[in-house]
Amino acid sequence: DVKVTQSSRYLVKRTGEKVFLECVQDMDHENMFWYRQDPGLGLRLIYFSYDVKMKEKGDIPEGYSVSREKKERFSLILESASTNQTSMYLCASSLSVRGGNEQYFGPGTRLTVT
Amino acid sequence: GNSVTQMEGPVTLSEEAFLTINCTYTATGYPSLFWYVQYPGEGLQLLLKATKADDKGSNKGFEATYRKETTSFHLEKGSVQVSDSAVYFCALSTNAGKSTFGDGTTLTVKP
Repeated sequence: DVKVTQSSRYLVKRTGEKVFLECVQDMDHENMFWYRQDPGLGLRLIYFSYDVKMKEKGDIPEGYSVSREKKERFSLILESASTNQTSMYLCASSLSVRGGNEQYFGPGTRLTVT
Repeated sequence: GNSVTQMEGPVTLSEEAFLTINCTYTATGYPSLFWYVQYPGEGLQLLLKATKADDKGSNKGFEATYRKETTSFHLEKGSVQVSDSAVYFCALSTNAGKSTFGDGTTLTVKP
């Protein structure tokens, strides 16, 4: 079974802190994704990576950056956390850049910025 | 661009009732279609998928048929259980590798 793990289930940070969210997948998937999920807004794509060191902005990249130094690991960075970044963050991976591939999700990190 | 429209929720049903959650899409090319389910406190997991027109995806008693002529992928189950209570997401994926998700439909099944 594909497993996608996220470093924390719950995280509380202060405004202005730099925050790292880590995601690891164990099935050699090419694609990795970061989403945020907010009530009434569904899933919104923050960033997408289709290969090591490759990244592409999603729908809401402002205030975020990402890093993919190894194929299995995709990190989301909040350079200076703000209260409007309080949300559920979901990482996902999929097999390849070709279409037709389902995404495998981690359990999510619920981040609260105070 | 691509888009997915799901019927608005929440949906509340009694146990053993019939379930339909409507999903329609707009996409260029020939997308693959998916239903994902999210149980409380968890990430999304794939429920079923269909990769071409007229394909039927099925899993755990849930079914959905890829209807190209109506650009739809409605989710159905003949007899729901309390354990089916969750949020259901319809999604599509194109050759670009990314997916487009609907807003999700919350289903509550009462005993």
